[in-house]
Amino acid sequence: TQLLEQSPQFLSIQEGENLTVYCNSSSVFSSLQWYRQEPGEGPVLLVTVVTGGEVKKLKRLTFQFGDARKDSSLHITAAQPGDTGLYLCARPRGSSNTGKLIFGQGTTLQVKP
Amino acid sequence: NAGVTQTPKFRILKIGQSMTLQCAQDMNHNYMYWYRQDPGMGLKLIYYSVGAGITDKGEVPNGYNVSRSTTEDFPLRLELAAPSQTSVYFCASSPFSGAKNTGELFFGEGSRLTVL
Repeated sequence: TQLLEQSPQFLSIQEGENLTVYCNSSSVFSSLQWYRQEPGEGPVLLVTVVTGGEVKKLKRLTFQFGDARKDSSLHITAAQPGDTGLYLCARPRGSSNTGKLIFGQGTTLQVKP
Repeated sequence: NAGVTQTPKFRILKIGQSMTLQCAQDMNHNYMYWYRQDPGMGLKLIYYSVGAGITDKGEVPNGYNVSRSTTEDFPLRLELAAPSQTSVYFCASSPFSGAKNTGELFFGEGSRLTVL
């Protein structure tokens, strides 16, 4: 199956806490993207990971691609209310990324001040 | 630079009615897409286009039609609306041309459709 499973589905934390969101599949994929979506808006790309074991950092966000390229994680350090939103992982439908994506069901994050 | 513009933002339809969701991009992107987003389900691809005059089905095309007469525009047509088509619809575009192939999708703000 090419499904992407995200966990947890909902997360409510206090400002300053750390958190990790997971994105898993039973099949190997060529690359993985993480998007963030705020209410009333479309998703916005945060990062693309393409190499097994790759780690990318975006300020307080750390993205990791599993060695076997079947899973990925997003870690947020010292979460802030501005991090609130829906986080989506997505993988290409085929062997290369032509924008035909399979999305996970999303993780809704709420960061309370 | 407006990016991807969708209209209308909200619409209520009665069962059996038809309508067109408009999408326009001003980034000269070759590829355009229509996704729908249902609560707890992520986004699912309805149709996509790799250039003017070329369209193809995605994962959930039934009940929809598209056309791509220009690079800029990619309207989505709903024929005989059904309650199952209640959703938020997102149009997206991507360059996918040589060195510009970052794989990034640029999304519009969405069109929320309710079928009663």
